[in-house]
Amino acid sequence: EAGVTQSPTHLIKTRGQQATLRCSPISGHTSVYWYQQALGLGLQFLLWYDEGEERNRGNFPPRFSGRQFPNYSSELNVNALELEDSALYLCASSSVWDSEAQPQHFGDGTRLSIL
Amino acid sequence: AQSVTQLGSHVSVSEGALVLLRCNYSSSVPPYLFWYVQYPNQGLQLLLKYTSAATLVKGINGFEAEFKKSETSFHLTKPSAHMSDAAEYFCAVSFGNEKLTFGTGTRLTIIP
Repeated sequence: EAGVTQSPTHLIKTRGQQATLRCSPISGHTSVYWYQQALGLGLQFLLWYDEGEERNRGNFPPRFSGRQFPNYSSELNVNALELEDSALYLCASSSVWDSEAQPQHFGDGTRLSIL
Repeated sequence: AQSVTQLGSHVSVSEGALVLLRCNYSSSVPPYLFWYVQYPNQGLQLLLKYTSAATLVKGINGFEAEFKKSETSFHLTKPSAHMSDAAEYFCAVSFGNEKLTFGTGTRLTIIP
């Protein structure tokens, strides 16, 4: 079974540019989550998509946005990049069941560097 | 709001010794609890999860964790450390299928 795949592995941008990160979930998983892992700030929840809809959003400015496609893959877009956006961005997927929380399975991340 | 506290940002143990990584949660209702491991330049790998079925949870790579409601704890243990266990470990909490809230992580070093 293929795991969660993210692309690109590394992305280098300059301040003010826009970045697009992509994520393909495990087959059969309908939920996709995005997290930011920045140095000194730990793992912070960004966005949760399920069945094409945004279900929850973390405490991030509106220039962080995303979407989920009909095949359940997802994009994270970051506009007007700032130096502090430099981080490892992790995508996770899970199946959604009514009775019990299913664990989230993570990809290897996209490392975004802002120059 | 729920939160997770991991005591000790760095833990060092000798190869073959007991590994104990501490996690305490704060929540008004019993949460779902998870331990993840992160190796350098990789994502997070699920070690084990607690979802109320049993208080002692066995995971991969010989790790286990015990949920103690009275202590609001979910400490991770392994009887005998291996060099390959060197990594960063994260405790996380969730309620249902929403976001994970992570602790700040514990970097485990294994001394030969």
